[in-house]
Parts: sequence; C-alpha cells; structure tokens
Amino acid sequence: DAGITQSPRHKVTETGTPVTLRCHQTENHRYMYWYRQDPGHGLRLIHYSYGVKDTDKGEVSDGYSVSRSKTEDFLLTLESATSSQTSVYFCAISEKQNTEAFFGQGTRLTVV
Amino acid sequence: AQKVTQAQTEISVVEKEDVTLDCVYETRDTTYYLFWYKQPPSGELVFLIRRNSFDEQNEISGRYSWNFQKSTSSFNFTITASQVVDSAVYFCALPEITGRRALTFGSGTRLQVQP
Repeated sequence: DAGITQSPRHKVTETGTPVTLRCHQTENHRYMYWYRQDPGHGLRLIHYSYGVKDTDKGEVSDGYSVSRSKTEDFLLTLESATSSQTSVYFCAISEKQNTEAFFGQGTRLTVV
Repeated sequence: AQKVTQAQTEISVVEKEDVTLDCVYETRDTTYYLFWYKQPPSGELVFLIRRNSFDEQNEISGRYSWNFQKSTSSFNFTITASQVVDSAVYFCALPEITGRRALTFGSGTRLQVQP
C-alpha cells in the first residue's frame, strides 16, 4: 500500500472556525491532491500541488487554501468552516502523468 | 472539459449473478487513460485498473473484466459470479493528460450483492 496518512481521521468543528487537514506521504511522489466526496457528486478536486510551493485550484476551491512546504506534506485549510464544507476529504498522490493516483484513508469533517 | 458519466446510481444483485457497471466519458484528448476505483464500506479508495486509449482489447482479471469501446466512449466493468465482498461503490475516472493531471470522477455506482 502507498504510504499516505491523513490526519485527523474524524473532526467535528463549529461554523466559523479554521480547520487544517494534513496529508503526509512517504512515497516522494510529485503530485498531491485534495478531493472532497459528497453523495451524488463522486470526488471533486479542491486543490492540487505539482511540487513544493507549487499549488493551484481545482473545481471547488472556494473557501479552501493549501500549502506544501515539503514534498511529503500537503495541508488543506478551511479558513472559516461552513456547514457546506461538511464532507469526506481525500488526499491523493501520483508519481507522474497517466499513472494511478493512490488515496489516503479519508477525513470525515462535520461542521455544526 | 472532461466528463465521466455513471448513469447507474445503485445496482442490487444476488450472489453469483453477473453484473455490468457502465461508464461513459467525454474528452478532447486523442490519447487518454481510464481508471476504475472501488470504495468498499470501510471507505478507502482502491485502484482496480488503468487502460489507455491505444488498447481496446478487453482486460480480464479473475472475476473482473473491462470492456473499452472507443467508438462509443465507454469503459464498462463486469463482475462475473458476484460475491458479497464485491459490495462497494465503484468509480470510473479519467485523468487529465496535461496540466494538473487530476482525475475527473464519475458520480459512482453503488453495488449491493445480496447473499
């Protein structure tokens, strides 16, 4: 199994609070991604990174920011959590183009 | 923009039945890849297969087989003699060839295999 760890695995937070999710990989893969999974939508890309300090937006990036200061870590921050951000968040890594992406275990975030 | 459509939201079969999960895609790329992932009730995403657009031969792996039809933009997945352990949500996905290399996912098909 690919070495990807997401933390925390579960979190309940209040509306308006900042939240940071962490993705850590031990594979030295170049590409890292954050997706959210919601019923009826499959997985949708929030942000991605193609190298240290190189990040860009996906389709559903509003309300989220990311940082990648080291190859192995990709952080997702909800600046001010809203109920619409209640979701399951997956981190993924990919070595190069056209290779499969490997996913972390997911983080279930509930915003109340 | 790319698009992946999995029109079957949920399928229920009885153990040992064969079942086919449909996937239709749209892409402007002339060269592309297609993936299938499985998400069992435990929630993790498990990679199943990658196919490229150059190879339209059917792929078989045990009870799993995949039928890639470029002419109809479909990449269907068949499970033969289904088992309860096959119960999961299955996703078809299309990676971007350039730029961010991210995956475009279909909305998934939930397969329930009844004993």
